[in-house]
Amino acid sequence: DAKTTQPPSMDCAEGRAANLPCNHSTISGNEYVYWYRQIHSQGPQYIIHGLKNNETNEMASLIITEDRKSSTLILPHATLRDTAVYYCIVRLPDQTGANNLFFGTGTRLTVIP
Amino acid sequence: DAGVIQSPRHEVTEMGQEVTLRCKPISGHDYLFWYRQTMMRGLELLIYFNNNVPIDDSGMPEDRFSAKMPNASFSTLKIQPSEPRDSAVYFCASSFRRRGSNEKLFFGSGTQLSVL
Repeated sequence: DAKTTQPPSMDCAEGRAANLPCNHSTISGNEYVYWYRQIHSQGPQYIIHGLKNNETNEMASLIITEDRKSSTLILPHATLRDTAVYYCIVRLPDQTGANNLFFGTGTRLTVIP
Repeated sequence: DAGVIQSPRHEVTEMGQEVTLRCKPISGHDYLFWYRQTMMRGLELLIYFNNNVPIDDSGMPEDRFSAKMPNASFSTLKIQPSEPRDSAVYFCASSFRRRGSNEKLFFGSGTQLSVL
């Protein structure tokens, strides 16, 4: 799997957009980018994933650069409940269809009132 | 659906005792995963099942760990005998997959294990 690099921590003011970067310079052509987050004392929660195009859902937007070597997760209006560790993962679905995800250290986002 | 259900939520035991963690996946999901999380090593995949069959247990740390999935709605992770270094949060997750698809993993709330 391609390795990812994320800043260990970030702060964001409540109500402002939180932009979480991820570098994945060795990503291969068919690898997807996933984002999960883990709120304290809970299991990880899926946020969004993408391949080439930018993606948006009810939780966030994912912006992937044209060369696919980096991406940014955007939380448009951060709330205190968005305080969590955010994991950026890249993964190619393998031949068995078992698309296992391996989590790194992530970015600890703190939303400040 | 109530989501992935794990029990117990907390477990405190003494070194050498047997520990059994339980997981009920989301109905209809055909993959089940066991992860372990520690401060030092982060989230580690221990083992996963497809249609109740263990597919890859290469993440299981040693023979003291075993996992079973007797049916589609239940799985256990057993540690025997337990050691203090097994103290961690153990997560169960499930998903529904088709070959080559990109699906979401749904995680339970975890079991906080403390081995004294």
